[in-house]
Order: sequence, then structure tokens, then C-alpha cells
Amino acid sequence: NAGVTQTPKFRILKIGQSMTLQCTQDMNHNYMYWYRQDPGMGLKLIYYSVGAGITDKGEVPNGYNVSRSTTEDFPLRLELAAPSQTSVYFCASSPTSGSENEQFFGPGTRLTVL
Amino acid sequence: AQSVTQPDIHITVSEGASLELRCNYSYGATPYLFWYVQSPGQGLQLLLKYFSGDTLVQGIKGFEAEFKRSQSSFNLRKPSVHWSDAAEYFCAVMNTGFQKLVFGTGTRLLVSP
Repeated sequence: NAGVTQTPKFRILKIGQSMTLQCTQDMNHNYMYWYRQDPGMGLKLIYYSVGAGITDKGEVPNGYNVSRSTTEDFPLRLELAAPSQTSVYFCASSPTSGSENEQFFGPGTRLTVL
Repeated sequence: AQSVTQPDIHITVSEGASLELRCNYSYGATPYLFWYVQSPGQGLQLLLKYFSGDTLVQGIKGFEAEFKRSQSSFNLRKPSVHWSDAAEYFCAVMNTGFQKLVFGTGTRLLVSP
């Protein structure tokens, strides 16, 4: 049981390039989330999904897109990378809509846009 | 809207000394509250959570937190800090309607010998 895995661990992009951050969970969780963490700040929710085929915007969705074709995978797409997207990105998952359920976090992807 | 305030950006504690990290929240209803720890280069790990019942919550690694509704606080404590506790600590609140977590800005704990 690997939990939540993210690839890549590190990436450097040039302005205007695109990339997909991968996130996979093997816990059969319905809910999945993408956060970004900027220096000295807490985590901000980018997008979330309540199940396959269903996604919604979080607090800071601009410049990102997501899809959820399977329960396991929740990729985050950056179409036109900008320096403001330099951040550490965390994927998380949780079992159901019950508020007692814990969110499990992946190890993060550190992205630099130059 | 919910918000979380962690007033201390950095705290330095001597090894073996006690620790208290402060967290204040703003939320209209009964909140669900969490403390997470993030070691350097790692993801977040849940230390403890409060949903209801006993206001003193025990967590992993010897941590505890106390929910005080009158003060809108959920402070994290540990009686004796170990060098391995050096990390960043995040307080978070969840709205009762959905599983959206709102995080504080974090407190970085440094442990001196």
C-alpha cells in the first residue's frame, strides 16, 4: 500500500511551457485534492474531486486544469507556465464525504518556472 | 469564511523543554480542527484532530491539543521536545459541509541542544 504518490519530485519549466503533475492513490478514496504551498504560507486548495468524472475549483484555480477519469488518478495540468506558479504542489486524498476522515498527503512536487 | 491564524512564524525550544504552538480559528459553527506536521522535504502528516467530545485530544508522537471554544483556540502542546520534532507545524480547520481544509501559515519549530 503506497498511499498517495506524486511524480515528478522536482521539475524546472520555462515560461510558457506546459506540464502535467501526476497523482495516484491506491486507497480507493473518493475525494482527491491539489494544493500549492508557497514559502511562508499555508497550503492553498487549487482543485478538488469528489469522484471519477467530477471536479471543482478551489481557492486558487487560475492557470491550472484537472481531470479525474479514474478513482486512482488525479493529474494537474499547467498549460502556460508562469513564474507565479513556482511552488510546491501537494496531492491529497480522503475516503468519503464524512468530515471525520483524514486527508492523506503525497510527498509533493517542487516546481520552478524560469 | 473560515480562517486560521498561527501567530508565531518561528519558535525555538531547547531539547527536553515543553512546547506550545498557538492556533486561533474563525468559523461560525463547531469546527473540525487538525494539526499537521511537515518535516523538511516531506509531505504533511496528521498529528491529531478534533471533531467533538473531549476537548483535550491526544495525538501521535506524544503531542496533544486542547480545544477552547471561548478563546477560538486549538493550541498544540508537548511536555518534552525531542530534536526530531524540529519541523513545520500547520493548524487547519475544516468546514462541516465538505472536506475543504483551510490551513494556517505554519509555525517552524527549531530545537536547540
